[in-house]
Amino acid sequence: GEDVEQSLFLSVREGDSSVINCTYTDSSSTYLYWYKQEPGAGLQLLTYIFSNMDMKQDQRLTVLLNKKDKHLSLRIADTQTGDSAIYFCAERPGYSTLTFGKGTMLLVSP
Amino acid sequence: EPEVTQTPSHQVTQMGQEVILRCVPISNHLYFYWYRQILGQKVEFLVSFYNNEISEKSEIFDDQFSVERPDGSNFTLKIRSTKLEDSAMYFCATYSGGSNTGELFFGEGSRLTVL
Repeated sequence: GEDVEQSLFLSVREGDSSVINCTYTDSSSTYLYWYKQEPGAGLQLLTYIFSNMDMKQDQRLTVLLNKKDKHLSLRIADTQTGDSAIYFCAERPGYSTLTFGKGTMLLVSP
Repeated sequence: EPEVTQTPSHQVTQMGQEVILRCVPISNHLYFYWYRQILGQKVEFLVSFYNNEISEKSEIFDDQFSVERPDGSNFTLKIRSTKLEDSAMYFCATYSGGSNTGELFFGEGSRLTVL
């Protein structure tokens, strides 16, 4: 079955890099996603990676994909207090539905 | 960035009442989804909709739920007789279906509170 696992909490200082990790189970996943959710708000698509890639960089965000280990990570460089939020990893087999992890709460302290 | 809009942003209803949540997808998108998030829990898939019919649904999406796209614009989720446990944030999501993109966008959500 499909399952996505994330650590629940990460605390960093402003200016440091944050790395949020995720493992998934469905090897047929075509796309893997990172969404950001601020308190009381919706799900903001941060970035996604196609399964035939192993890295994608977008400004301060770097996504690394290890297909062999089914491991996905999101690195946020120069983390700011405005990055404090819950970050959801999600996998998507084919063009089917997303399966989300439980989310990692990132707390950035000044 | 393109936007998925949802209404209402918050609805309070009595148990047993019918509720309709509305979503305006991004204009050239072909695939539509409803997800829900009970407070403090993970985001759960409810249903996907393509070509005017349900393409996939979860165990949560029982006979109390229905979806339709009545006017080719709005995509609606109806809960026929709400229960306390239907209280959640409901998210609409849309996807273009293009082969070169995986971008799946979510709306801001509709918070449903059932009393």
